[in-house]
Amino acid sequence: EPEVTQTPSHQVTQMGQEVILRCVPISNHLYFYWYRQILGQKVEFLVSFYNNEISEKSEIFDDQFSVERPDGSNFTLKIRSTKLEDSAMYFCASSLAGTGEETQYFGPGTRLLVL
Amino acid sequence: AQTVTQSQPEMSVQEAETVTLSCTYDTSESDYYLFWYKQPPSRQMILVIRQEAYKQQNATENRFSVNFQKAAKSFSLKISDSQLGDAAMYFCAYRSANFGNEKLTFGTGTRLTIIP
Repeated sequence: EPEVTQTPSHQVTQMGQEVILRCVPISNHLYFYWYRQILGQKVEFLVSFYNNEISEKSEIFDDQFSVERPDGSNFTLKIRSTKLEDSAMYFCASSLAGTGEETQYFGPGTRLLVL
Repeated sequence: AQTVTQSQPEMSVQEAETVTLSCTYDTSESDYYLFWYKQPPSRQMILVIRQEAYKQQNATENRFSVNFQKAAKSFSLKISDSQLGDAAMYFCAYRSANFGNEKLTFGTGTRLTIIP
């Protein structure tokens, strides 16, 4: 069964450094998402991406964050200058279409720790 | 803005018994979708079941079923014949049916423990 994959599974970085989190969505999916989950808290939406553009973003997704689909398979989240509060689990998800009936399939997550 | 509330931070159930997890939501929309996701210790989010708001019939998936009460804005998950592998964090989520509003809004989760 096709699945969303994410790399790395864990990343430790120093405050102020840039990190890039990578995701490979399910191959025929067209909509891509990033969510984050701070330890012990609920999952929060960051951004959705379709047709090489951001289609929706949350208040959390400020200028520090960017997303890109650099080729036909990868979808990346870049955090430009990490802060301690960016420590969280980051989930990538994809769906076939953007309509609500389409299920979003989640990857296993990248655990980011900012020191 | 939509909100999702899960009022039970933790629940426990004996193996083979039935448990119900509660979820309420607030929205002004008439058409939307509701989901239950499971997050085991591995932390991956796994879809358990989904419900379309326009359908009156409650969704079922094997041992998992929902009680969807649209007027009350309630969406509970019933797990029958609980198994050890059901132990996980369960998140209720809402998604608008409006195109361009694709995000999932999650509740705070319920941690389910299965007692052998």
